[in-house]
Amino acid sequence: LAKTTQPISMDSYEGQEVNITCSHNNIATNDYITWYQQFPSQGPRFIIQGYKTKVTNEVASLFIPADRKSSTLSLPRVSLSDTAVYYCLATYNNAGNMLTFGGGTRLMVKP
Amino acid sequence: GAGVSQSPSNKVTEKGKDVELRCDPISGHTALYWYRQSLGQGLEFLIYFQGNSAPDKSGLPSDRFSAERTGGSVSTLTIQRTQQEDSAVYLCASSRGGGRSGNTIYFGEGSWLTVV
Repeated sequence: LAKTTQPISMDSYEGQEVNITCSHNNIATNDYITWYQQFPSQGPRFIIQGYKTKVTNEVASLFIPADRKSSTLSLPRVSLSDTAVYYCLATYNNAGNMLTFGGGTRLMVKP
Repeated sequence: GAGVSQSPSNKVTEKGKDVELRCDPISGHTALYWYRQSLGQGLEFLIYFQGNSAPDKSGLPSDRFSAERTGGSVSTLTIQRTQQEDSAVYLCASSRGGGRSGNTIYFGEGSWLTVV
C-alpha cells in the first residue's frame, strides 16, 4: 500500500510563505492528491486538490511535478490562525476505497 | 444538510458498555467513511460505504466494532463492550462518489468518546 511522507512539524512567522512537501512515491495513475487542514478538536477541512501541475484557490496553491511522486502545499502570507496540522492524502487501497492519512505536518505560526 | 453531522459530539461511557455513534452525511453523497483519531495521532480508517455495495470493513480493529448504513444515508457506528483504548474521536466523512475519482471528502466535527 502506497504511503505518504510529510515532515512532522514546521515553524514559521506571520506574513511568510510556507511550503509543505509530501512524498507519495507509489501514487497510482488515477489517484488525486488532496490536502486537509485540521485544528484541535475539529474534523479535517478540505484545502485543495490536484492531479498534476499547479492548482490555486483562494487559500493555497498546490504544486505537483510531472512524475507526481511528490506535491507541495504553498500557503501565502500565513497568519497565526493557520497554526494547524496539515494532512496530505494520495493513497488508496486496491479497491479504491480506503484513504490512508499519514501523520500530518504540525505547522506553528509565530508572531 | 449543509455539512456532515455527527452525534453525540461528546460521550462518556463506562468500560464494558455499548455505544452508538451517528452520522448524517451531506445530502446526495453516496460514499460514507468512518475514521478514528486518538489524541495527537493521525486518522485511522475504519469502514467505508458506497451506495448499495458491500461495505469495506477492512479497517475495523475488532469484532466489537460494527457499522451500518440505512437507506443509503444515515450511518451508525456501534462499539460493543467498550474498552479504555477505544477512547478517541470518531470522525465521519462523506463524498459524492468514491474517493479515488477525485471526489472531495468532507468531514464532520467528530464524536469524542471517553471510556472510563
